[in-house]
Amino acid sequence: AQRVTQPEKLLSVFKGAPVELKCNYSYSGSPELFWYVQYSRQRLQLLLRHISRESIKGFTADLNKGETSFHLKKPFAQEEDSAMYYCALGWGNYKLTFGKGTLLTVNP
Amino acid sequence: GAGVSQSPSNKVTEKGKDVELRCDPISGHTALYWYRQSLGQGLEFLIYFQGNSAPDKSGLPSDRFSAERTGGSVSTLTIQRTQQEDSAVYLCASSLGGRGREQYFGPGTRLTVT
Repeated sequence: AQRVTQPEKLLSVFKGAPVELKCNYSYSGSPELFWYVQYSRQRLQLLLRHISRESIKGFTADLNKGETSFHLKKPFAQEEDSAMYYCALGWGNYKLTFGKGTLLTVNP
Repeated sequence: GAGVSQSPSNKVTEKGKDVELRCDPISGHTALYWYRQSLGQGLEFLIYFQGNSAPDKSGLPSDRFSAERTGGSVSTLTIQRTQQEDSAVYLCASSLGGRGREQYFGPGTRLTVT
């Protein structure tokens, strides 16, 4: 079955420190992976997708098929990065399966 | 409108009552999704529409839940005989359709069943 695991419910770092939000997936087919973010009092929005291979707001994520991972990284965290982050797996023709999310807090 | 809209933003209802939640997707988006967001549970898929048809209702938790979409646009999620465990944020998303397409989310409806 398709599954997305985000092992950390909560992650707290200091401003300027590196941050890594972990995501592992389970899917027998060719996966498409996404990171969505929800800032306080805002709606859920796409942060980045693996096919784009781009950096958004300093965040990057590399798909590692061998380790079935799609960890989100940023070398220097900012206070405005504090938010709930969801990893999502696209499969089938339209399905998106989300992880349970990691709440990132960046302390000053 | 620029984005997906949902109404009401908050709904408090008594156990056993029926509720209707509305979603207005982005114009031109053929695909529409309903999710339920519970604390600590992430986003739970409920139903998917392509146009007016719902080829995937696999996520609806019970037959108390139903949804329809009309005119390839507005969708309504109905919960009959609400229970306390139905309390959650119900999110609607729309996309141009097809795998890998970005889903655009609405602000959600927070449902509280007392």
